[in-house]
Amino acid sequence: DGGITQSPKYLFRKEGQNVTLSCEQNLNHDAMYWYRQDPGQGLRLIYYSQIVNDFQKGDIAEGYSVSREKKESFPLTVTSAQKNPTAFYLCASSSKETQYFGPGTRLLVL
Amino acid sequence: GQQVMQIPQYQHVQEGEDFTTYCNSSTTLSNIQWYKQRPGGHPVFLIQLVKSGEVKKQKRLTFQFGEAKKNSSLHITATQTTDVGTYFCAGRPYNQGGKLIFGQGTELSVKP
Repeated sequence: DGGITQSPKYLFRKEGQNVTLSCEQNLNHDAMYWYRQDPGQGLRLIYYSQIVNDFQKGDIAEGYSVSREKKESFPLTVTSAQKNPTAFYLCASSSKETQYFGPGTRLLVL
Repeated sequence: GQQVMQIPQYQHVQEGEDFTTYCNSSTTLSNIQWYKQRPGGHPVFLIQLVKSGEVKKQKRLTFQFGEAKKNSSLHITATQTTDVGTYFCAGRPYNQGGKLIFGQGTELSVKP
């Protein structure tokens, strides 16, 4: 099956802990994106990558880091510097115009 | 910064009533897309509009792109319970490296 997978579905973070969210796609898309969604709000762009080994900050990059070592993978690390990490995190990829979203990871702080 | 404003934030309708959500951008857009997110799900692409004044239809859904390419609307005729979810517009400004800017979304609930 072609598509985007995200894991885990739910993730719990303790204070001061870094956590990494996985995003994998087998659609052969060049571009990948990470969004954060808070209740009642739209999607806010955290980071995006248009090609392997290159990525750019989005609108709310502080407290997050990414890597793009492989075309298929774009993991997101939520660092301890992110003081309000509780949210729904969505990964997406695109070839030209349309973005295809993964099922999302819900991050909760203990 | 560039913004895409979407109204209303919530809309509750009786099944069979019509529904419209509106999207306005602070800058001219090269195109605008619409996505639907079912409760507990992820956004799914519905359609893209590119031309000034463009109108596209998908069964009971009608999408419009304004003449100035700064506003758009989605109209659903005779809503059904399967229409429940949050509808997002996403605009692509010129000279922004292909970034999409999402509106806040309109959450539609349909009472049977």
